[in-house]
Amino acid sequence: SQQGEEDPQALSIQEGENATMNCSYKTSINNLQWYRQNSGRGLVHLILIRSNEREKHSGRLRVTLDTSKKSSSLLITASRAADTASYFCANPGGSYIPTFGRGTSLIVHP
Amino acid sequence: SQTIHQWPATLVQPVGSPLSLECTVEGTSNPNLYWYRQAAGRGLQLLFYSVGIGQISSEVPQNLSASRPQDRQFILSSKKLLLSDSGFYLCAWSGTSNTGELFFGEGSRLTVL
Repeated sequence: SQQGEEDPQALSIQEGENATMNCSYKTSINNLQWYRQNSGRGLVHLILIRSNEREKHSGRLRVTLDTSKKSSSLLITASRAADTASYFCANPGGSYIPTFGRGTSLIVHP
Repeated sequence: SQTIHQWPATLVQPVGSPLSLECTVEGTSNPNLYWYRQAAGRGLQLLFYSVGIGQISSEVPQNLSASRPQDRQFILSSKKLLLSDSGFYLCAWSGTSNTGELFFGEGSRLTVL
């Protein structure tokens, strides 16, 4: 079963704007991961946030985690056309095997 | 550094034909290996994972099988393809730490006609 579910399913913004994607999950987690997938390519790991962390930054990426609400958000600041991709959250369950949602398709218009 | 290779990149096969997709990892030992399938506009569905040679776990009943004949080789197979087997197949590996971070191959696009 899918553990993480991203919201919105699709997001269209202009270059320079911020993009926020949300992820909800069902069971307890050890950590939560965000991945990026360019069209027709494999997924690339972006950032991992552990269950005892509330916020993490990496360049223009900011991830938050609220374990009480079983949710996470990914913020991309000052978006660029090259950020156009699908973004997935994933979290390993008890078996440490990441399960993925359907992703958020982000389009950044130049 | 570690790399993962997956081939073929694109495959068009008739219904009822066999399938073999191969994945190899370099630069690491005893990786956990995974096969995922991604249908158009859908999320990733875990098909198989392996924690060692000859150890295969299947997540969903299906027309596919997997084998791990060597430590860093993972093969996805089918004896007779169905139309519903069409999709984008992704191989991935992870280390033995408990973070579960995955490293993906570039994918194999399978179209069954």
